[in-house]
Amino acid sequence: NAGVTQTPKFQVLKTGQSMTLQCAQDMNHEYMSWYRQDPGMGLRLIHYSVGAGITDQGEVPNGYNVSRSTTEDFPLRLLSAAPSQTSVYFCASTRGSGTGDEQFFGPGTRLTVL
Amino acid sequence: AQSVTQLDSQVPVFEEAPVELRCNYSSSVSVYLFWYVQYPNQGLQLLLKYLSGSTLVESINGFEAEFNKSQTSFHLRKPSVHISDTAEYFCAVRRKAAGNKLTFGGGTRVLVKP
Repeated sequence: NAGVTQTPKFQVLKTGQSMTLQCAQDMNHEYMSWYRQDPGMGLRLIHYSVGAGITDQGEVPNGYNVSRSTTEDFPLRLLSAAPSQTSVYFCASTRGSGTGDEQFFGPGTRLTVL
Repeated sequence: AQSVTQLDSQVPVFEEAPVELRCNYSSSVSVYLFWYVQYPNQGLQLLLKYLSGSTLVESINGFEAEFNKSQTSFHLRKPSVHISDTAEYFCAVRRKAAGNKLTFGGGTRVLVKP
């Protein structure tokens, strides 16, 4: 199993550009999430999905869109990039909502918006 | 809503010395508690978790954490650190009825010196 994979690893955008961060998992997990990591603030939940076709907002959803057309993929779209979106983005997946289910994290995408 | 506070942003420590990373949380409902570790340029990995039962939980690499309900704390300890323990450590909570949404603390960066 490759686990959770993310592409690209690094990206530089100009203000106003759009892009999609890719996330895929090969563990047949129901739950997938996107977090952003900023210094001193830990990880904050952007959007999450409890299964194909079902998504919901997290703590900081503004400026981001998601969709979940398949179990494996959960892309994150930046509609019009802003410098405040400079961050490290992590995708995570979990088998289900059971008490013992662990979240598996991808290696992250480091995004800089100029 | 719940929140997590990690009282130390950075902890320098000499090799073979003990270390304690402090974590306090607030929540109006029962929560599950987690510690994640992030090695340089990697994603997060689960270190240990408290779901129920014994309030002292241990990891396979010598870390332990104790859940203290009265003090709403979940401090992480290791009696003797190695250079390889250099990493950032995140405390996180999850409400028992909130699926897989994690709330993270700001992180504690541990630097082990020889």
